Amino acid sequence: ETGVTQTPRHLVMGMTNKKSLKCEQHLGHNAMYWYKQSAKKPLELMFVYNFKEQTENNSVPSRFSPECPNSSHLFLHLHTLQPEDSALYLCASTGAGGQADTQYFGPGTRLTVL
Amino acid sequence: KQEVTQIPAALSVPEGENLVLNCSFTDSAIYNLQWFRQDPGKGLTSLLLIQSSQREQTSGRLNASLDKSSGRSTLYIAASQPGDSATYLCAVNTGGFKTIFGAGTRLFVKA
Repeated sequence: ETGVTQTPRHLVMGMTNKKSLKCEQHLGHNAMYWYKQSAKKPLELMFVYNFKEQTENNSVPSRFSPECPNSSHLFLHLHTLQPEDSALYLCASTGAGGQADTQYFGPGTRLTVL
Repeated sequence: KQEVTQIPAALSVPEGENLVLNCSFTDSAIYNLQWFRQDPGKGLTSLLLIQSSQREQTSGRLNASLDKSSGRSTLYIAASQPGDSATYLCAVNTGGFKTIFGAGTRLFVKA
């Protein structure tokens, strides 16, 4: 695998379910990001981790819980979501230059909440 | 609060035409600006990254300029091709890993 991978690519869940999204980067980067992309809205930054430490939490509801066990892996744990949480969830990473570097994105997880 | 606006929201051009996509931002205190391409239902692909100290960057048929003082960037695409059809996103980094995206310009290049 190369670049940034995300699993699953598609997810349908009920409002009472618990699920997790996984992101893995194979680029040797140090910072990882979660973004939400809703229809007809700009990408919204959700969380950023740098060297496994959370550096940004963009006022995201607690039903979204991120986890970064190491610099290569990032998870987004989901529970009791709402239909308006249906969106494309994108993961990205940057290298040692941090914010000065290009962001590399994964293909995204298309989430539908019923 | 930083806001990023992209004009036009959608654009349809015949193949071979040169075109310009516009991006404006409200706060000139940016770290860098990046242009991305997104194909339907897919992730983003970085096209060009301009640091705040730079005026422009070029890659193949693409040229991006940055005028920080006026809060503007343009992406110039030369000799457009049907394969250029996608949504083009502009994003500014305001420091501390915080990136603000525009809503994008949807481009359709007709063969």
